[in-house]
Amino acid sequence: DAGVIQSPRHEVTEMGQEVTLRCKPISGHNSLFWYRQTMMRGLELLIYFNNNVPIDDSGMPEDRFSAKMPNASFSTLKIQPSEPRDSAVYFCASGLSFGGNSPLHFGNGTRLTVT
Amino acid sequence: AQRVTQPEKLLSVFKGAPVELKCNYSYSGSPELFWYVQYSRQRLQLLLRHISRESIKGFTADLNKGETSFHLKKPFAQEEDSAMYYCALSGHSGNTPLVFGKGTRLSVIA
Repeated sequence: DAGVIQSPRHEVTEMGQEVTLRCKPISGHNSLFWYRQTMMRGLELLIYFNNNVPIDDSGMPEDRFSAKMPNASFSTLKIQPSEPRDSAVYFCASGLSFGGNSPLHFGNGTRLTVT
Repeated sequence: AQRVTQPEKLLSVFKGAPVELKCNYSYSGSPELFWYVQYSRQRLQLLLRHISRESIKGFTADLNKGETSFHLKKPFAQEEDSAMYYCALSGHSGNTPLVFGKGTRLSVIA
């Protein structure tokens, strides 16, 4: 298994542009999580899905952020319009369940830079 | 509300010295605690969980409910231990997602 796959690995864009981050979870995992990593705030949970259904999006910072999971093997995190303060590493993770007892498997992350 | 505090952003120790990465938590019920690690150019991965009471790569962590702490310890640091370490918490029933601390970067100096 290749593990959780994220694309792109790096994204550089100008302020105001739309950014789409992609994630393919591990086959068989029912839960998917999007985290944002910054020096100041560490790892913040943005949103998570269980069986493709969003369970809690209270961590999404603003309406500019949206996430979808159209099927069990694909999820996107979209930022529109992007701003410089969105610059961070965005991680996708999957697990057998959304509870903490199920170990999370992380992707390599997408490093986003908004200029 | 669930909260995890890792007071040290950076911890530097010499090879062979003991290591203690601090983690304190805030949770109204009985928590499940975890340590995740991210080595250079590798993915964030689970290191250990308190319910397993295991030692992984020489690291141990004991849940102290009185002090609401879950410090990660190793008696003799090795250079390959240099990494970013995250403490994480979930509700006892296991039906809440992990909340992570801000992380501590451990640097082991030869």
